[in-house]
Amino acid sequence: DVKVTQSSRYLVKRTGEKVFLECVQDMDHENMFWYRQDPGLGLRLIYFSYDVKMKEKGDIPEGYSVSREKKERFSLILESASTNQTSMYLCASSARRVSYEQYFGPGTRLTVT
Amino acid sequence: DQQVKQNSPSLSVQEGRISILNCDYTNSMFDYFLWYKKYPAEGPTFLISISSIKDKNEDGRFTVFLNKSAKHLSLHIVPSQPGDSAVYFCAASSAGRSARQLTFGSGTQLTVLP
Repeated sequence: DVKVTQSSRYLVKRTGEKVFLECVQDMDHENMFWYRQDPGLGLRLIYFSYDVKMKEKGDIPEGYSVSREKKERFSLILESASTNQTSMYLCASSARRVSYEQYFGPGTRLTVT
Repeated sequence: DQQVKQNSPSLSVQEGRISILNCDYTNSMFDYFLWYKKYPAEGPTFLISISSIKDKNEDGRFTVFLNKSAKHLSLHIVPSQPGDSAVYFCAASSAGRSARQLTFGSGTQLTVLP
């Protein structure tokens, strides 16, 4: 079974703090993704990575950056957290370039106060 | 501009009856469509998919129908069970330069009443 884990289930941070969200997958998948889920908006893609050190912007990259130094690990960074970044953050992975099915982690509920 | 739309935020169905969840899309480049199911405090899990070259795919109690001319797909659950109560997301995939991406709808909360 594919397993995607995220470092925290719940996180509370203050405005202006630098926030790191970590994601690890154990199936040697090439692609990894970061989404945020907000009520009425569904899942929106922030960034994705198709190889180590390679990344591409998704639909809403502003205010975020990512890092992929190892194949199994993909980090989302909020450089200076703001209250409008309060959300559920979901990490996902998929096997190969042509794979459409993505496997999701349990999510991190981030609250920025 | 939302490329994948789920116009019903919620749906309630009696146990044993059919649940029909709908999804519309605008981008003709989408070639795979997926349904994900999400329980509270869990990540979405893959349910069923369909290729754009097909009009129906069935897996047990779940059937997805695709109408390409109308750019519409639907998920049928028969019979509905209380354990099916969850948020259902429709997603569409297109081949990207570097990796396939998914575009999600806003979700439909299904409640199956015992």
